[in-house]
Amino acid sequence: GENVEQHPSTLSVQEGDSAVIKCTYSDSASNYFPWYKQELGKRPQLIIDIRSNVGEKKDQRIAVTLNKTAKHFSLHITETQPEDSAVYFCAANGDSSYKLIFGSGTRLLVRP
Amino acid sequence: GAGVSQSPSNKVTEKGKDVELRCDPISGHTALYWYRQRLGQGLEFLIYFQGNSAPDKSGLPSDRFSAERTGESVSTLTIQRTQQEDSAVYLCASSEGQGFSYEQYFGPGTRLTVT
Repeated sequence: GENVEQHPSTLSVQEGDSAVIKCTYSDSASNYFPWYKQELGKRPQLIIDIRSNVGEKKDQRIAVTLNKTAKHFSLHITETQPEDSAVYFCAANGDSSYKLIFGSGTRLLVRP
Repeated sequence: GAGVSQSPSNKVTEKGKDVELRCDPISGHTALYWYRQRLGQGLEFLIYFQGNSAPDKSGLPSDRFSAERTGESVSTLTIQRTQQEDSAVYLCASSEGQGFSYEQYFGPGTRLTVT
């Protein structure tokens, strides 16, 4: 089955700097890769996703890149703000049309 | 409109007791998921319901875990003879349909503590 590894487990950046979180997956059948943000004590929320037919997707300060050959994908946050502080989870779907396998999460702290 | 709701928000139970967790999905959402989130970990898939199809129970960790859903409404997750390793946040999510074209909307979770 699919296995998703996420790094780093914690990341501290200065406000205004960029943050990059990386994930690798094992199942070459995966074709859907979402990223979720979970603020402390709150529910996870989808922030961006990418499908395997594209290599990059951007939404304002957030971008995701996908390298299918290497089986890794990354979340990039530019011009970080304190409100970006949260735990971020990546996920991949393996050969499923509905089931997601999640990474273990990255705790991002943006220092004012 | 109303989002996904879950009850109770917190549950403390003694080892060996049974617990029942409830999820009210967004009205009209045919797909419903249960996940477990242990402290400092990612979300672990437990079970998936889609309309009247047979549920995908492949993520249930043991036969102590079961879940039901009536039609396209409320779902309950039952854990029998709870163990300390069952302590976690149990999250429910719903979506309009099957497939990743439909976003999963999460509930606030039930924090289960087994003493």
